[in-house]
This record gives sequence, C-alpha cells and structure tokens, in this order.
Amino acid sequence: DVKVTQSSRYLVKRTGEKVFLECVQDMDHENMFWYRQDPGLGLRLIYFSYDVKMKEKGDIPEGYSVSREKKERFSLILESASTNQTSMYLCASSSGTSSSGANVLTFGAGSRLTVL
Amino acid sequence: GQNIDQPTEMTATEGAIVQINCTYQTSGFNGLFWYQQHAGEAPTFLSYNVLDGLEEKGRFSSFLSRSKGYSYLLLKELQMKDSASYLCALMDSNYQLIWGAGTKLIIKP
Repeated sequence: DVKVTQSSRYLVKRTGEKVFLECVQDMDHENMFWYRQDPGLGLRLIYFSYDVKMKEKGDIPEGYSVSREKKERFSLILESASTNQTSMYLCASSSGTSSSGANVLTFGAGSRLTVL
Repeated sequence: GQNIDQPTEMTATEGAIVQINCTYQTSGFNGLFWYQQHAGEAPTFLSYNVLDGLEEKGRFSSFLSRSKGYSYLLLKELQMKDSASYLCALMDSNYQLIWGAGTKLIIKP
C-alpha cells in the first residue's frame, strides 16, 4: 500500500559529492514537492513541480536542483553536498490544483542524509 | 509577514484529553492543516479547516478561529499510539504551506 516511495532511507556522503534523492508516487498526482525537515524548524520547501518538466523554487532552493522527466518521479539533486545539507528530506505529492480547498499532501517516509 | 507557532512538547496521560494549540499571523489565508508524524515515519494528514468552528473526526477534532489566528487539535481518549509529533500548517494566499515546527506529544501510562 506504499504510495510515495523514497529510494533511500539513510545515506552518508562526503562533502563535495553529488547526491541523488529519488521519489516515486503511484497515485497519478500532478504535484510533487521536496521538503527538508530539521529539529526545531517547520518543514521547509526546497522545490516543487506542478507538471512534468516543470519546476518551481521553494523557500530554500540554494544548493539544490530537481528533475521531473516523468509524472511519477521527482528527483532532488545536490550538486556538491555540504555539511549544512545534513537533514531529513521528505518528498510529497498531491492531486489538487492551487485553487482546491483541501490540497492534501501524501508524504514519503523520508531520506536521512548525513554529509561528512 | 507570516508566522506560525505551536508548543514544542506536551505530555499527557493515557485515556485523557489533550489540546494542542497553533497560532498564526498571515496576510492571506486559505486553510489550516494538521498532520501527525510518528518518529521516523512520514507525516500523515489529520484535518483541514478553512471555516471557523469545530470539525470532528472520531477521537480527533480540529478547531479554527480565523479572527483570532488560532487553531487547536483536540485528542480524546488518548492511546499510547498517539505519541507522535503534530504539525500545524497554514495555507497562504498563494496556496503555499507555511509549517509550524511541530508539537511532540508524549503519552504516559
């Protein structure tokens, strides 16, 4: 019954490495999101996408990029990982348009990235 | 600007009732969400309020007062499995979500 799958639960990378975090949803949702979650802070939006090949910057896009080549897959890329990118990364999807009332997010279980 | 605030941690007893508050300041409002997140797991949707009043869903209820910039999540007949973090999120005028830092709820026997 898994609906949003994040490929890696735990990753350990070195500073400067390129990191790929993959997210796949099987609900045919148009909207997909990448958040990071840090202790004491609310979820912060990195990037989002409302359609294939479309991407929009969120609140903290610096140091990240994304790719959405297929509707079901949204990838987060760290071109050159840094220690301040150590965090929990959450992918989410939703079916609602921006004008819908309850635009409920379905989240993946998260990818905990440690950058040494 | 926009701001959303909720207590960092709360403790309650199994079988009791607990109210988790969320206050916010925003220039535009399109609803308020509550999500539950167990440790190490994905957040899951609990409730959505866009009009003032109380919405009840079984043991969980959510209340909204737009004029006061205030919402609460009420959990009744607490069970040990209710130990989790509860995230409040405001949908702003651009339909973007602004998240609170979450309230960690600890249930004691």
